[in-house]
Parts: sequence; structure tokens; C-alpha cells
Amino acid sequence: DAGVIQSPRHEVTEMGQEVTLRCKPISGHNSLFWYRQTMMRGLELLIYFNNNVPIDDSGMPEDRFSAKMPNASFSTLKIQPSEPRDSAVYFCASSLVQSTDTQYFGPGTRLTVL
Amino acid sequence: SQQGEEDPQALSIQEGENATMNCSYKTSINNLQWYRQNSGRGLVHLILIRSNEREKHSGRLRVTLDTSKKSSSLLITASRAADTASYFCATAPYGQNFVFGPGTRLSVLP
Repeated sequence: DAGVIQSPRHEVTEMGQEVTLRCKPISGHNSLFWYRQTMMRGLELLIYFNNNVPIDDSGMPEDRFSAKMPNASFSTLKIQPSEPRDSAVYFCASSLVQSTDTQYFGPGTRLTVL
Repeated sequence: SQQGEEDPQALSIQEGENATMNCSYKTSINNLQWYRQNSGRGLVHLILIRSNEREKHSGRLRVTLDTSKKSSSLLITASRAADTASYFCATAPYGQNFVFGPGTRLSVLP
């Protein structure tokens, strides 16, 4: 299996622009997670999907952030409009069944908002 | 403090020495997991220990869990330069999602 795939790996954008991050989970995994990692705040869970349904989005910072999972093999995290404080590494992870199962992380997307 | 918090924040040892990292948490958990993150990469799962287990081994890794003290330790024996990474514990309180600690940065010097 190819593992969790994220794209792009790096994104540099200007403040106010829309940013879309993409994730393909491991085939057969039912849970998908979006995390944000910064030096200041560490690794934060943004949103968790189970069977394509958002279960917990309490970590989504504000309305500028939205996430979708239209099918079992694809998810997006969108930031509109982006701000410099959104600069971080965004990870997607998937697990087999439950949120407490072993999570498999993608390589991350390093976002820089100028 | 956070639900899961590693100690120390940073650790520097010589190759061949053992490295011990600790994780403390606040609420009862379903299981506890340790992950490794190499610089610029995603997290990689190392080991999962359930609340009814006290010790698990995987290669050079040994994890212990003391639910009475709400703490876990990760021991890496005979460390190698390739073990240089950040190590995170992730705790899963019952009915809740994982919470990752801030991590321990391990440097293994050749």
C-alpha cells in the first residue's frame, strides 16, 4: 500500500488567498484525521471523519477552515481566506476503524502564508 | 498541563546508551501509543499499549504503563544515530479522540 498521500507537499501563498490541501487515506481505512503542527502549539487535531462523516470538528480554528470527505478515498481541507498565522505543517492521518486505533500519517503539507 | 505530556522535553545521549522518555496523563485512558517523528516527516507509529497491559516490547523498544500513576515510559536500548527524532505519546481518554503530547526531542550523538 502507498500509505497516506497528501498534496501538495509545500504551498506558499499570499494572505487572503484560498488554500486547498488534499489527502488520500489508506484504502480500507474508515477514519480520517486532519492535524496541524506548529512549534508553538504542537500537534492539534482539527477534524475527524468516520465513514466519510465529520464526527468531531471542535478543533477547527474558525469559519475560515472547512473540510470535506466526499468519498472514502479523498478528503480536502480548505482555508479561505488564508492568514499568516495559518502557516504550519498540516498532516492527514487514517486509521482502520476507530479514532483510537493506530493512526497512519501522511508526509504533511508545509503551508506558508505570506 | 496537557492530557499527555512527555518528559524530558529534550534528551541528548551517546550512541549505544539507553534513552528513557516518560509520558504523564490526566484522565483514564483506553490505550496509549508512542509515535516517532523524524525531522520534516510525518509521525510513525511505534507501539500501542492497552490500559490492561503493563509492558510491551518491540525490538529495541520497551514500553511500560502504570495506570495507577497515569504514566508511561518508552525505553530505547542501544540507541543509534538513526533514533534521533521527536517522540510523542498519544493518549485516548475513554470516548474521546487521541491527544498528542508536545514530544521529547531525542538526539543520539555518534
